[in-house]
Amino acid sequence: SQQGEEDPQALSIQEGENATMNCSYKTSINNLQWYRQNSGRGLVHLILIRSNEREKHSGRLRVTLDTSKKSSSLLITASRAADTASYFCATPYGNNRLAFGKGNQVVVIP
Amino acid sequence: DAGITQSPRHKVTETGTPVTLRCHQTENHRYMYWYRQDPGHGLRLIHYSYGVKDTDKGEVSDGYSVSRSKTEDFLLTLESATSSQTSVYFCAISAVSADTQYFGPGTRLTVL
Repeated sequence: SQQGEEDPQALSIQEGENATMNCSYKTSINNLQWYRQNSGRGLVHLILIRSNEREKHSGRLRVTLDTSKKSSSLLITASRAADTASYFCATPYGNNRLAFGKGNQVVVIP
Repeated sequence: DAGITQSPRHKVTETGTPVTLRCHQTENHRYMYWYRQDPGHGLRLIHYSYGVKDTDKGEVSDGYSVSRSKTEDFLLTLESATSSQTSVYFCAISAVSADTQYFGPGTRLTVL
């Protein structure tokens, strides 16, 4: 299966700093998605970027996609304590499926 | 929030007993998914449905079966629960294939 891999796997930053995490994948895709999971909760969809897009913004989130390198990055600007969560990238594969990476733990220290 | 609920939210059961988890949606989305989440393994697909009575296996389907008799409900059954099936189970729905998925709150299952 195609699976996104997030990097770094764990990140600890001070409130107000920016957090950047990367995702790599293996085969051609038509979209890449990022999700957030707060402790003990279900995943929440953050943003979807299509293969013909290079950059997308949503509030304090900025996602880039480089299909030539098969990689994506998620930038959270001006982080807040509430951004403490695990972040997953996901890519389509097979029929009707998404493959999720193992997640990137972000801790924002107040 | 997408209208998706899971029941029960917590369950403790014994090895060898059958267990059924329910996912219910009010969004009329075509696609429904069951995942399990375990430390070190991330999110793994168990089964999914692409319509009423239409289901397919995921990467970790052994020991699990599913049924979808109406659009809004997707049931996951552990035929004979084992300790290796102790996990957190998430249901997700999607209107479009391999597009945005909306997740339920999860069911924490413990098999003793």
